[in-house]
Amino acid sequence: DTAVSQTPKYLVTQMGNDKSIKCEQNLGHDTMYWYKQDSKKFLKIMFSYNNKELIINETVPNRFSPKSPDKAHLNLHINSLELGDSAVYFCASSQGWNGELFFGEGSRLTVL
Amino acid sequence: KQEVTQIPAALSVPEGENLVLNCSFTDSAIYNLQWFRQDPGKGLTSLLLIQSSQREQTSGRLNASLDKSSGRSTLYIAASQPGDSATYLCAVRPNGGSQGNLIFGKGTKLSVKP
Repeated sequence: DTAVSQTPKYLVTQMGNDKSIKCEQNLGHDTMYWYKQDSKKFLKIMFSYNNKELIINETVPNRFSPKSPDKAHLNLHINSLELGDSAVYFCASSQGWNGELFFGEGSRLTVL
Repeated sequence: KQEVTQIPAALSVPEGENLVLNCSFTDSAIYNLQWFRQDPGKGLTSLLLIQSSQREQTSGRLNASLDKSSGRSTLYIAASQPGDSATYLCAVRPNGGSQGNLIFGKGTKLSVKP
């Protein structure tokens, strides 16, 4: 009964490929997020989304796009993968923009 | 621009000690502050959430304080145990509704020796 779950946990792929990471939350939250944790373990927001608004961090390349089929899911699509995209990607959710955040276990992406 | 700093970057203590982790932020206009722990290869686990109107929150052996005006928060861990070994992250949510995404510090890596 994991609250925020991500798949896959590990993803190894070649440069130039397109990949997706899925995220589901069963907490009934209305707001979801994607964070990127780089090799220095620093966490930075990529996207935040509820059914009314998508906020995109201006530093995120447009090769990255979030897609939300419903309130409980926010998937991350990445086109034309680059070496620098290698990182751990975390999904999170909260109730409202100011609620307590709950994180998934992370998806480690390695681009070769 | 809000910046969050955590000192020290790493801390090693013997089991049983009480310890304090520090977090400072540059802009006092925050909505809330949240402390997390991250175990190696794992996600973040929420420990405590302090609203801007609160001074402290307690959960078991953990106590977090907030002094918004001075831009500081501390996480106090009583009677530390080896199982407390992890990286502790502080994050602030600026005022600003949908624009106020959590801003993280770089964490303090805690090692509790048996």
